[in-house]
Amino acid sequence: GAGVSQSPSNKVTEKGKDVELRCDPISGHTALYWYRQSLGQGLEFLIYFQGNSAPDKSGLPSDRFSAERTGGSVSTLTIQRTQQEDSAVYLCATTASGGYTDTQYFGPGTRLTVL
Amino acid sequence: KNEVEQSPQNLTAQEGEFITINCSYSVGISALHWLQQHPGGGIVSLFMLSSGKKKHGRLIATINIQEKHSSLHITASHPRDSAVYICAVRFNQFYFGTGTSLTVIP
Repeated sequence: GAGVSQSPSNKVTEKGKDVELRCDPISGHTALYWYRQSLGQGLEFLIYFQGNSAPDKSGLPSDRFSAERTGGSVSTLTIQRTQQEDSAVYLCATTASGGYTDTQYFGPGTRLTVL
Repeated sequence: KNEVEQSPQNLTAQEGEFITINCSYSVGISALHWLQQHPGGGIVSLFMLSSGKKKHGRLIATINIQEKHSSLHITASHPRDSAVYICAVRFNQFYFGTGTSLTVIP
């Protein structure tokens, strides 16, 4: 596609439920990043994929969070047993090759609200 | 400890003013990015810098690697420049500043 897309755009869930957030990268982009932006807070790195592998998972806040990427394309971020503190905008960004100097292209984000 | 510090946190300017936003970082980096986040939430990458200076239209970004400092300048500011400007550095993973909220008043 022309840009990075994310779905759903908004998700409201009840505490304790599991949620899946999807990111569709720009075609051909090999590197994919997930970030979180909580209300009034800065961006927070969660996980980085190069192809299908995740060389850096250091930002995942707990073992309730996991992510996968299949076919070097679509990525899914899963949050199990959601908590209210998980409420945030989850952003996905991709780069052409993952090099340090690559421009990041951001998706519009998924706004997650945990009641 | 914040690896990336931005200043000011908030900035209000009159249309036409010259604006400077500063970013200081504490880690050795491979690249520094300036991002723009509009009120609707969308994020756009403005610049990627590893040295020197870059210019796009009315925007100028500079970086001093030795001093671990970067500045984003906006010349002849306009209300459509109103946004949050975020500095990000790449050192293994990305570290983000908390952003500078800019409001340009007509």
